[in-house]
Amino acid sequence: DPKIIQKPKYLVAVTGSEKILICEQYLGHNAMYWYRQSAKKPLEFMFSYSYQKLMDNQTASSRFQPQSSKKNHLDLQITALKPDDSATYFCASSQDFWGSQNTLYFGAGTRLSVL
Amino acid sequence: GDSVTQTEGLVTVTEGLPVKLNCTYQTTYLTIAFFWYVQYLNEAPQVLLKSSTDNKRTEHQGFHATLHKSSSSFHLQKSSAQLSDSALYYCALRSWGTGSKLSFGKGAKLTVSP
Repeated sequence: DPKIIQKPKYLVAVTGSEKILICEQYLGHNAMYWYRQSAKKPLEFMFSYSYQKLMDNQTASSRFQPQSSKKNHLDLQITALKPDDSATYFCASSQDFWGSQNTLYFGAGTRLSVL
Repeated sequence: GDSVTQTEGLVTVTEGLPVKLNCTYQTTYLTIAFFWYVQYLNEAPQVLLKSSTDNKRTEHQGFHATLHKSSSSFHLQKSSAQLSDSALYYCALRSWGTGSKLSFGKGAKLTVSP
């Protein structure tokens, strides 16, 4: 059974709309992340959270807003969608944010297409 | 900052022959950890190898890599490629100053042909 659940698996949106990508992890991890993968920039880091607190934000646009309602949840809200936002969005988690041997585990991704 | 360079975007090798995927890096931090991730078609990236020890060979699933800080490299190798090895391979770096965030290379698509 997958330990990191991302919903939906596929998402089609129209330009200008708003969508929320869901991520839940059942690994008991304390840190969660969002990465984006597109043809132009494979596996690009977006956000990192530790104990529901934002640790790092490499996304220039405020249209991308992570939301953490529980320690094992990290959703991604995207507003005013643009065709350039089309990508696969991966959620990931690690045992802790700090740690010499931490490994990132990825969910299956949400493939977003913006028309 | 950190940067990871994977020079080959597409690699094709015949089944049974050796394969090597190159990875070099630049970082402003002295202490680092390195990873190789593999991503099969329509699946999530998954860790293949990891290392933080200089000059120590790390092996998993027939693949091996050795971190060489002197040459800033962490190349991935396998002595005999299998059809099932066809996938996208990412080299990734983590610097201690950035927590557990990974910086990935552009990836190398490996195709193993019969």
